[in-house]
Amino acid sequence: EVQLVESGGGGVRPGGSLRLSCAASGFTFDDYGMSWVRQVPGKGLEWVSGINWKGGARYYADSVKGRFTVSRDNAKNSLYLQMNSLRVEDTALYYCARGLGAAAGEYFEHWGQGTLVTVSS
Amino acid sequence: EIVLTQSPATLSLSPGDRATLSCRASQSVSTFLAWYQQRPGQAPRLLIYDASNRATDIPARFSGTGSGTDFTLTISSLEPEDFAVYYCQQRSSWPPITFGQGTRLEIK
Repeated sequence: EVQLVESGGGGVRPGGSLRLSCAASGFTFDDYGMSWVRQVPGKGLEWVSGINWKGGARYYADSVKGRFTVSRDNAKNSLYLQMNSLRVEDTALYYCARGLGAAAGEYFEHWGQGTLVTVSS
Repeated sequence: EIVLTQSPATLSLSPGDRATLSCRASQSVSTFLAWYQQRPGQAPRLLIYDASNRATDIPARFSGTGSGTDFTLTISSLEPEDFAVYYCQQRSSWPPITFGQGTRLEIK
């Protein structure tokens, strides 16, 4: 069974940093592209970042470019999102999602349950 | 950036009814479009990809059609568990990957 478990969310002041992690199991991690998608509670979905199977191709939404960095460790079956210079508008539930294939820009076949990030002064 | 506009915002129907949800793209996405279902308190679930292909374990009552800029998700006979929010998503021209704003399917 495919499992994606996010961690690392929490409360942080504007300008602060957080590192999200996603632990994957139940599939061959380095066969698939991975993404982060966020959702403000009660609102819609926003793609944040994607990374291909090997980690050589990384993409970002304009809203986070230059502040967030996506990475993966295939030996540890883990995906990461380093979030710096956090803003109030980054407050959301952050989902880790597995793509249908190896590329970074895939459809999202499997999702974790999300980790909540709250940016507030 | 490709903008996806879903209609209606809310659809009120009864179990057993046929549901038709629409997604319109601001420019052609060919057939690079997916549909997701999100129930309250749950993560989204992939229903349809490449406009018309059902994802694994998705019931046959869900079907997708369309190409270019106009797409439709049809649920042939609504079950109680189908009342949820539905999103479309494109991966034709990215980054960014974009989602529609969602259609809420509620019980009448």
